[in-house]
Amino acid sequence: EMQVLESGGASVQPGGSLRLSCAASGFSVSDHAMNWVRQAPGKGLEWVSTIAGSGGRTYYAASVSGRFTLSRDNSQNTLLLQLISLRPEDAAIYYCVRSSPGRNIYYFDFWGQGTQVTVSS
Amino acid sequence: QLVVTQSPSVSASVGASVKLTCTLDSGHSSYAIAWHQQQPEKGPRYLMKISSDGGHTKGDGIPDRFSGSSSGAERYLTISSLQSEDEADYYCQTWDRDSVVFGGGTSLTVL
Repeated sequence: EMQVLESGGASVQPGGSLRLSCAASGFSVSDHAMNWVRQAPGKGLEWVSTIAGSGGRTYYAASVSGRFTLSRDNSQNTLLLQLISLRPEDAAIYYCVRSSPGRNIYYFDFWGQGTQVTVSS
Repeated sequence: QLVVTQSPSVSASVGASVKLTCTLDSGHSSYAIAWHQQQPEKGPRYLMKISSDGGHTKGDGIPDRFSGSSSGAERYLTISSLQSEDEADYYCQTWDRDSVVFGGGTSLTVL
């Protein structure tokens, strides 16, 4: 059975840092592009970042480029999102999402349950 | 710039059918999209991918009541025999070579 389990969400002060993890089971993260999507309270879905299945090329939304870093540990079948210089507008539920195989950037076919990030002084 | 547009809200009665629309901007009218459902207080769930020719690829376990189609720059999600549990937010998603875009979502109320 496929599963993705996010962890690492917490409450931090503006300017702080966090590392989010996404542990996958039932499939290999190296066989798919993997993504993070966030949802601020009462708002819609916002794409954050993608890491390609092969080669590991990364892509970022303009709102997080230079502050967030996405990486993958194939041996642990895990995705890691490092967040630095956090702002109040980064507060959201962060979802780990799998892409359907075939392209570096593609449609999402499996979602995690999310981890909450709060940024407040 | 890649943009997808959705109506903010729609309502329909139990047992009826409803058609949700996702409109691609004119420069990307041939792009495929994916529909995702988010029920209240839950994470999103993949429903289906819809290509410009109307072909669609459903997610596992998605009921036959959910179907997709295309016309020009519009991509549709039709839900027939509406049930109370269909009350949710529905998002369309599209993609380019280096980015992903979501529509603003359509909130479906089942009366």
